[in-house]
Amino acid sequence: GAGVSQSPSNKVTEKGKDVELRCDPISGHTALYWYRQRLGQGLEFLIYFQGNSAPDKSGLPSDRFSAERTGESVSTLTIQRTQQEDSAVYLCASSLKSKGSEQYFGPGTRLTVT
Amino acid sequence: GENVEQHPSTLSVQEGDSAVIKCTYSDSASNYFPWYKQELGKRPQLIIDIRSNVGEKKDQRIAVTLNKTAKHFSLHITETQPEDSAVYFCAASSSGGYQKVTFGTGTKLQVIP
Repeated sequence: GAGVSQSPSNKVTEKGKDVELRCDPISGHTALYWYRQRLGQGLEFLIYFQGNSAPDKSGLPSDRFSAERTGESVSTLTIQRTQQEDSAVYLCASSLKSKGSEQYFGPGTRLTVT
Repeated sequence: GENVEQHPSTLSVQEGDSAVIKCTYSDSASNYFPWYKQELGKRPQLIIDIRSNVGEKKDQRIAVTLNKTAKHFSLHITETQPEDSAVYFCAASSSGGYQKVTFGTGTKLQVIP
């Protein structure tokens, strides 16, 4: 079946502009995660949605970052007033609660802030 | 919260040799320990996982061991091949209502032909 999809695959933006990244999880997956991965670095947790529970926003690096998820479907990650240090690959993952935490990752959005 | 440490950060082995990557975790409530492989330019993918009711799990050339008492788990790759070259991430989480996954910092494995 269809996996996790993300759009756009690449985004180049000017410093100070806002960007919106989209994630379509696997249908039926109640958990959704956003990560940031800088070049050659590890997976930096940003935010976690689990069903209708309040999201865990503890990883968001600043108030310029926000994310929303409607029910158990699409999620959007918004970065306001982008800075050069925001340049990274943003990965989304989803998982099915009943199977523990096996995560299925999307292909990522490569964000470049010029 | 959970803290996962992973060692080494880089590892070079000759083709055919074994590779071992070790992780420790802090939260005794964690009971699910997946390992992900990320090839260059690609997304992480699950290669093997272990739950806390099991001490060891094997899948062909890959095995994972878990020591709950010591709170550490390890990935073992035998008979390494060039296609095993990648970054490997360990992780820990619980399978209860709150399933936030905490990742280790990654190990870059290079298999030298």
